[in-house]
Amino acid sequence: LAKTTQPISMDSYEGQEVNITCSHNNIATNDYITWYQQFPSQGPRFIIQGYKTKVTNEVASLFIPADRKSSTLSLPRVSLSDTAVYYCLVGDMNSGGYQKVTFGTGTKLQVIP
Amino acid sequence: DAGVIQSPRHEVTEMGQEVTLRCKPISGHDYLFWYRQTMMRGLELLIYFNNNVPIDDSGMPEDRFSAKMPNASFSTLKIQPSEPRDSAVYFCASSSGDRAYEQYFGPGTRLTVT
Repeated sequence: LAKTTQPISMDSYEGQEVNITCSHNNIATNDYITWYQQFPSQGPRFIIQGYKTKVTNEVASLFIPADRKSSTLSLPRVSLSDTAVYYCLVGDMNSGGYQKVTFGTGTKLQVIP
Repeated sequence: DAGVIQSPRHEVTEMGQEVTLRCKPISGHDYLFWYRQTMMRGLELLIYFNNNVPIDDSGMPEDRFSAKMPNASFSTLKIQPSEPRDSAVYFCASSSGDRAYEQYFGPGTRLTVT
């Protein structure tokens, strides 16, 4: 399993763009990068997944450099409701079926008014 | 769809008692996951099923824990006997086919063992 490293916490003001970086130096060829969001007292929620370059959806963008040893989750113009823990997961999606991944400690984002 | 349904939402029990947590996955999903979350250990995968068959139970802490999935719409996680260190929030999640990584989590069951 690829090990991931994220900042433990981040603060941001409302309306700013937030970038959360995850390091995964031992990522394997078949590994994808997936991000989840967890609000207090709720289960995690899938945000976005990518393999390389850039992926964008209605919630966030995911930037993955060519060497894939890190990835950055970008949240545009955050609001107070974006205060949550963000998890970076790295796992193999090409070996058939689900391959076990770990959630790690995540990054606790606090959005300040 | 109502999403993943878990019951009960809260459970308080005494040490030594049997505890059964229940989960109804999203209809059509073929993967089901049980997680445990604590402040100390974070979110841990206990076991997961594919098409009702347990695939990986290496995260189950010990023999006191058991999980079953008798059909595609129901799963249980049982702790017998329960201990105070089992106090945690237990989440059930489900996902589908080639998007197995896009897991949908239930609201969780907060278990307190006194």
